[in-house]
Amino acid sequence: SQKIEQNSEALNIQEGKTATLTCNYTNYSPAYLQWYRQDPGRGPVFLLLIRENEKEKRKERLKVTFDTTLKQSLFHITASQPADSATYLCALASGSSNTGKLIFGQGTTLQVKP
Amino acid sequence: NAGVTQTPKFQVLKTGQSMTLQCAQDMNHNSMYWYRQDPGMGLRLIYYSASEGTTDKGEVPNGYNVSRLNKREFSLRLESAAPSQTSVYFCASSEVRLAGTDTQYFGPGTRLTVL
Repeated sequence: SQKIEQNSEALNIQEGKTATLTCNYTNYSPAYLQWYRQDPGRGPVFLLLIRENEKEKRKERLKVTFDTTLKQSLFHITASQPADSATYLCALASGSSNTGKLIFGQGTTLQVKP
Repeated sequence: NAGVTQTPKFQVLKTGQSMTLQCAQDMNHNSMYWYRQDPGMGLRLIYYSASEGTTDKGEVPNGYNVSRLNKREFSLRLESAAPSQTSVYFCASSEVRLAGTDTQYFGPGTRLTVL
């Protein structure tokens, strides 16, 4: 069955450093991959979408890569700030039908210390 | 635009009680979803509705029922609550255009405790 794995251990980094989060998937060949941010007590919020042929996508301090050979996406936050502290979820389309269904990873919690 | 709204925000039930979680979106989206989120388990899809008048089971549908009342509203019902249904419930919606590209918009969640 399709499976998405994110590092369940929290990632602690110092302010100003680059945070790198990993999303691995198996039994799947997605054409798109999405990243969401979730703050405590709130619903997830969409950040970025990357297509399989894009390899890399940037938005301000965020950068996402997509390696379909390794079946892996990396999510980078450069010059991290305490306000970046949150849980980050990756998601893939579930199946090929146009239902909009997504499968989410369990998320990685990032803590940026001042 | 309010986006996706959910009621109630918090609820405590006793085992065996029933309740309905309400969800509404004002973005004219076709698809709506109900998820539960448990520690270490991530978001798991309970039910979804690809369009008004249709509903389908997700990964964990047992113990739940849904109603797509109209294009705006999608409710989740627990007929006989069990402690295993203690969780945070999220409703989401999306405009389905091409599989995989449709970003989902989430509500603020309902925190349900079943004693």
